Amino acid sequence: DAGVTQSPTHLIKTRGQHVTLRCSPISGHKSVSWYQQVLGQGPQFIFQYYEKEERGRGNFPDRFSARQFPNYSSELNVNALLLGDSALYLCASSLVGQSTGELFFGEGSRLTVL
Amino acid sequence: DAKTTQPNSMESNEEEPVHLPCNHSTISGTDYIHWYRQLPSQGPEYVIHGLTSNVNNRMASLAIAEDRKSSTLILHRATLRDAAVYYCILRGSNYKLTFGKGTLLTVNP
Repeated sequence: DAGVTQSPTHLIKTRGQHVTLRCSPISGHKSVSWYQQVLGQGPQFIFQYYEKEERGRGNFPDRFSARQFPNYSSELNVNALLLGDSALYLCASSLVGQSTGELFFGEGSRLTVL
Repeated sequence: DAKTTQPNSMESNEEEPVHLPCNHSTISGTDYIHWYRQLPSQGPEYVIHGLTSNVNNRMASLAIAEDRKSSTLILHRATLRDAAVYYCILRGSNYKLTFGKGTLLTVNP
């Protein structure tokens, strides 16, 4: 079975541009979360979506937005990119949005902002 | 979110057991203890989780102190493929994982 898939795997943008990152969860998983991992740090929570509704948001500015589609795939959008947005963006899916549920992570999209 | 404290790094030899400690003195009664690991150039991978009792699965064992203020992840026979950053995370009733910096495990051949 396919795991969590993310695209693109790598991309380079310049300051001020916009980026869209995509995530396909494991088949049957209805919850998708997004994390940002800056080099040398642990991942930081950005959003969680469950059944197409936003269920949680981390401490990120409004330039960050996301949505979940009827097929449970998800997009993360970042506007007005800053150099500090350079990071690995991780998507994770789970069967349900409960605290004991195991999260399955994709390999991430590495964003470089120049 | 309740905080965890882990050593920055640990070293082990191949085929030997590894005990990775985690302190979480402010844990609440409803917090689950989760462990994830992240191999180089990959996303985090679930290892194990528990609430009060010790837990075993095919990857590892989790030993939880009686007062729940600390726990230990045990890899019974380390392999080179176990070299990774190991994260100890407390997860309450919310939806998110709060990662710290974790422990970088080096496995020597």
